[in-house]
Amino acid sequence: NAGVTQTPKFQVLKTGQSMTLQCAQDMNHNSMYWYRQDPGMGLRLIYYSASEGTTDKGEVPNGYNVSRLNKREFSLRLESAAPSQTSVYFCASSPSAGGATQYFGPGTRLLVL
Amino acid sequence: GENVEQHPSTLSVQEGDSAVIKCTYSDSASNYFPWYKQELGKGPQLIIDIRSNVGEKKDQRIAVTLNKTAKHFSLHITETQPEDSAVYFCAASHGRGADGLTFGKGTHLIIQP
Repeated sequence: NAGVTQTPKFQVLKTGQSMTLQCAQDMNHNSMYWYRQDPGMGLRLIYYSASEGTTDKGEVPNGYNVSRLNKREFSLRLESAAPSQTSVYFCASSPSAGGATQYFGPGTRLLVL
Repeated sequence: GENVEQHPSTLSVQEGDSAVIKCTYSDSASNYFPWYKQELGKGPQLIIDIRSNVGEKKDQRIAVTLNKTAKHFSLHITETQPEDSAVYFCAASHGRGADGLTFGKGTHLIIQP
């Protein structure tokens, strides 16, 4: 049972390049989330998906798009990367909406030059 | 929206002593309060959580207390061990819809041998 997996583990981009961060969970969870973690800022919610086919903005959605491809997979896309998007990105999933335990992946470290 | 404040940002204790980390929240509708432990290079792992219908919960050396009137909750670790060294995050959720957790900025716990 792998839980929540994320790819890639580490990525370096140049300003203006695009990329997609992949996330998959094998726990049959309904809800999935993307967070970013910056030093001294804790984790901040970028986007979430209550269930397959739905997505909503979180606290810091600007510069990102998401796709809930199916129940297992939730991807995060940076269309035109900026240095301010240098961060560690975590995907999480939970069995149900609102107030359910969230399980986190190992993270993707992104450096934008 | 919800705002979670966490103190202290760094806590150094002698091995065997107790450690206490405190959080306050702003949204009185919040009803779910998890605590996560994050080791270097890894994703956050849930260590304990509490819901608003209870005031205290224990799991071996770890306990969490909740004061809904004052809108604060605390993590207590007794008989600290070297493996307790990590960054700890508190979080809050009002449980409406499928929105994510609002995290505190983290406490770096250092266990001195």
